[in-house]
Amino acid sequence: DIHLTQSPSFLSASVGDRVTITCRASQGINNYLVWFQQKPGKAPKFLIYVASTLQSGVPSRFSGSGSGTEFTLTISSLQPEDLATYYCLQVNSFPYTFGQGTKVEI
Amino acid sequence: QVMLVQSGAEVRKPGASVKISCKASGYTLTTYFLHWVRQAPGQGLEWMGIMNPGVGTTTYAEKFQGRVTMTTDTSTSTVYMDLISLKSEDTAVYFCASGDNFDIWGQGTMVTVSS
Repeated sequence: DIHLTQSPSFLSASVGDRVTITCRASQGINNYLVWFQQKPGKAPKFLIYVASTLQSGVPSRFSGSGSGTEFTLTISSLQPEDLATYYCLQVNSFPYTFGQGTKVEI
Repeated sequence: QVMLVQSGAEVRKPGASVKISCKASGYTLTTYFLHWVRQAPGQGLEWMGIMNPGVGTTTYAEKFQGRVTMTTDTSTSTVYMDLISLKSEDTAVYFCASGDNFDIWGQGTMVTVSS
C-alpha cells in the first residue's frame, strides 16, 4: 500500500499568513493526488486534484504543487474560514490512502 | 441539486451487521464511481472501497475484505454498504462519495458499535 505522510500534523497561524502543508508518498503516484478540507462535523470538501488543479469555486488563495513523491498545499493568505483539517489522498493505485491530516488553527 | 443522501444513524452490538444506504439525487448514479470512506471519532479519513454502480464491480481495501459488501439498485439510484462482524473499532461516521474527483459527498452516517 502507498503510505502518505502529512506534515505538520498541527499548525497554528494568523490571519494573512502563508501556510504550507506537505504530503509525502512512500512511492511515486504520478501526481494523482487530491486535497480536501474538512470542517468540524462536516463531510470533506474537495479542493485540488491531480496535485495542482484547483476545483471550480475554490478560492484562488489555495494552490497545490509537487510531483513524484512530494506535494504541497499552500494557502497564500490564511482567512478565518480556513480553520479546518486538511487531508491528502492518493488515487494512483488501490487501495487509495489518505494522509493523517493537518489541523489548521487560526 | 447534485447530492448524495445517506440513511440515518445506527447502533449495533459487537458481532452484528449494518447496512447503510446512499441515494444519488440530481445526477445519474451510474455516471461516476462511488466510494465509501469512514472516520472514527477524532480520527482521520479511511478509504474502504469503490464500486462502479453501472456494472456492480467493486474493489475493497484489504482491511475490509470479507466483511464489506457494496451493492447497487439502479432503479432507485441507491448504493448500499453492508459491514458484518462489527467490532467496537468500527464505530465511525461512514461517508459515500462520488463525482469526477470526490466532489459529491453524502452527509455521513454514524454507526456506533457497543455492547
